Formats: sequence, C-alpha cells, structure tokens
Amino acid sequence: EVQLVESGGGLVQPGRSLRLSCAASGFTFDDYAMHWVRQAPGKGLEWVSGISWNSGSIGYADSVKGRFTISRDNAKNSLYLQMNSLRAEDTALYYCAKDGGYYGSGSPRGYFDYWGQGTLVTVSS
Amino acid sequence: SYVLTQPPSVSVAPGKTARITCGGNNIGSKSVHWYQQKPGQAPVLVVYDDSDRPSGIPERFSGSNSGNTATLTISRVEAGDEADYYCQVWDSSSDHRVFGGGTKLTVL
Repeated sequence: EVQLVESGGGLVQPGRSLRLSCAASGFTFDDYAMHWVRQAPGKGLEWVSGISWNSGSIGYADSVKGRFTISRDNAKNSLYLQMNSLRAEDTALYYCAKDGGYYGSGSPRGYFDYWGQGTLVTVSS
Repeated sequence: SYVLTQPPSVSVAPGKTARITCGGNNIGSKSVHWYQQKPGQAPVLVVYDDSDRPSGIPERFSGSNSGNTATLTISRVEAGDEADYYCQVWDSSSDHRVFGGGTKLTVL
C-alpha cells in the first residue's frame, strides 16, 4: 500500500524559513518523480514543485521560484521542501504527491496518482 | 502560462448525469486528468489520460477531451459524489503541472 506522510508544518513568521518532509513507502521510491502541491484555505489546488527520480530535473511554480527548494533522498525514501522568505500568501496545506510515471516515449504521464494527507503551513506574525 | 477554466459550481439531482467542463487552448492535444476532493480529505485521482479510470473508481466516472474542452461525466450521480473536482494537465512548454480552479458538485 502506497503511503505518503508529510511533516514539518507549523506557524512561522513572515520572512522566516520552514522545511517540510514527506516519508514514502509502499512503492519503489527512486523509480518516480515526486511533487509538492498546496491548497490555501478555501481555495483550489496549486502545483508548487516537482523533482525527477534522480533529481536531474526540477521545476517550480513562478510563485515560489527563488524562495523554495525541493530535494529528495532516495536512500531514505524521503522528499523535502525547503521554504525560505515565507509570505502570508504561502499559508496553505502542503501535499506530497507521487508522479504517475512515464509513457514509453519518455514523456511524463503528468498526473498524481497518490497523495499524502498534507501538512499545514501558516505564515503569520 | 497555460490556463484551465472550470465552472465554479454544478448542481445535479440524484440518479442524473453531471458534466463538469474544463476549458483550455487546444486542450484536446493534451492529456487531461481529474481529481475528486471531499471536505477535509486529500484529492483522489478519478480519471487520467482523458478517459481512463484508476482501479477502484466506479465506471460511472468517465472523461472525454476534444478541441478546447475536456469533460468529466458522472452518471447515476449519488449523494457521495458531492465534492470538489479539479482538472489538471502537464504543460510541456513550461514542464509545469497546471490545475483548473475547481468545480463544486452539489447533489440536490
């Protein structure tokens, strides 16, 4: 059974930093890209960042580029999100999500087939 | 960046068919995926690659995609289908994943 368990959320002041973690189990972690998706209170889903299986390809939403850093440790089956210079608009539930893999052509399938339950980040003074 | 447009809300009576649209420029050339999110829960993938269903998703959920509109169709709607639904694509030009704004399905 695939399990994704996020941790590291909490209340933080604007301008400060926070590091989120996601512990994965139930699948071969280093075969798949992984992502962070967030959801502000009462709002829709927003893709934040993604990282390929070997960390060779990394992407960020424009709203977090330059402030957030995604990383992974395949030996520990773990995904991370380092969030710096946090703003009030970063307040959200942050989900860890497993990538759906690749087509035979090598193109990404592009969807998220498993999600964690999320960890809440609140940025407020 | 690529934009996906969904109606904020759709209402349907039990036993009827609900159709939720997702608009995007030439979206028919992309693979569209759909998620169901119930209050207080994480999203669940209900349709991928336009019209395929993950294991465990009822056949009542189906999808189509052509031109500038993708559609999620839920047949024989049940009270338990009441949720928010999101469409999503991979934008190859930016290598970003993009979500629609979400549609709240209300079962009357």
